[in-house]
Amino acid sequence: NAGVTQTPKFRVLKTGQSMTLLCAQDMNHEYMYWYRQDPGMGLRLIHYSVGEGTTAKGEVPDGYNVSRLKKQNFLLGLESAAPSQTSVYFCASSYSLGGVYEQYFGPGTRLTVT
Amino acid sequence: GESVGLHLPTLSVQEGDNSIINCAYSNSASDYFIWYKQESGKGPQFIIDIRSNMDKRQGQRVTVLLNKTVKHLSLQIAATQPGDSAVYFCAESYTGRRALTFGSGTRLQVQP
Repeated sequence: NAGVTQTPKFRVLKTGQSMTLLCAQDMNHEYMYWYRQDPGMGLRLIHYSVGEGTTAKGEVPDGYNVSRLKKQNFLLGLESAAPSQTSVYFCASSYSLGGVYEQYFGPGTRLTVT
Repeated sequence: GESVGLHLPTLSVQEGDNSIINCAYSNSASDYFIWYKQESGKGPQFIIDIRSNMDKRQGQRVTVLLNKTVKHLSLQIAATQPGDSAVYFCAESYTGRRALTFGSGTRLQVQP
């Protein structure tokens, strides 16, 4: 049982390049989330999904897109990377069961945009 | 590993002492609260959670206290160990919301 995994662990992009971050979970969770974490700040929610085929915006969605084609995977895309998107990105998943429950986090992806 | 939160408030304690980390929240509708521990270079790890129908909940060496009157949450760690050194985040949510809102974190440093 691997829990939540993220690919890649590190990435350096030039301004204007695109990339996709992959998150996978093997806990059969309905809900999945993408956060970014900047120095001196907590985690800020980018987008989330409450089930396969559904996505919703979080606090800081601009410049990002997501897709949830399979229940176990949640992809985060940057279409045209900007230096302001330099951050550590975390994926998380949780049960639904009609309420709010603990989220399980992946190890993170450190992204640098130059 | 990399630093997470270069300008976080820091709590420094001696090994073996008890630690208390505080968190204030503003949304009176919040009814679910959770504490996470984040070690350098890693993702947040669940410590303990509490719902608003409780004032206190205990785990292994940890206790969470909830004071809804003043919208305050605290995490108490008994007999703090060097392995407890990390950044601690509180987060909150409310019924019907499917996401958590995270606080900015507190760094706990345990001196041997």
